[in-house]
Amino acid sequence: QKEVEQNSGPLSVPEGAIASLNCTYSDRGSQSFFWYRQYSGKSPELIMSIYSNGDKEDGRFTAQLNKASQYVSLLIRDSQPSDSATYLCAVNRGRDDKIIFGKGTRLHILP
Amino acid sequence: DVKVTQSSRYLVKRTGEKVFLECVQDMDHENMFWYRQDPGLGLRLIYFSYDVKMKEKGDIPEGYSVSREKKERFSLILESASTNQTSMYLCASETANTEAFFGQGTRLTVV
Repeated sequence: QKEVEQNSGPLSVPEGAIASLNCTYSDRGSQSFFWYRQYSGKSPELIMSIYSNGDKEDGRFTAQLNKASQYVSLLIRDSQPSDSATYLCAVNRGRDDKIIFGKGTRLHILP
Repeated sequence: DVKVTQSSRYLVKRTGEKVFLECVQDMDHENMFWYRQDPGLGLRLIYFSYDVKMKEKGDIPEGYSVSREKKERFSLILESASTNQTSMYLCASETANTEAFFGQGTRLTVV
């Protein structure tokens, strides 16, 4: 089982709709969870971090964490064409402070 | 704002050359990482360091070494560059169990 798994996509969502991105992880001891956005040819930029179970909202973005199910998700409301990018889920394993990334989900917002 | 700076944006080297990739961060972070990113394979951890002169192997350390003589600087060394090391190299830094910040990336081509 891969440490951090994401559906590679592409995920196509109409402009103005909600985009839902999902991620599962294997290490139960993981403490910190992150979502990064990466545009083609650019480096990843952090958009959300979440450390405890439940929801965390920041503008149009909501991160959800369920440690019992080892599941992290990112919701993007009112999707815009500028949201078209690859979204990387990342997990800090805690025990050795390694940050492990999923392979990313390509999101395409349809105008 | 955290700043992570990689010495080169683009680099072309010949097979067999010794290659140095430099990374400097200005936020006094303890942990620094080197990843490579390839299409379809995502971000893979090469090496990381949690303190000066300390290093840990990541998932793909073969053919690479690292140096951390000062807290702010983490260097990746390709001892004898090969064509299969053509990739995008990303440096990141973070402080314990928090989010990682990335440099702009170095696109290395080995010919």
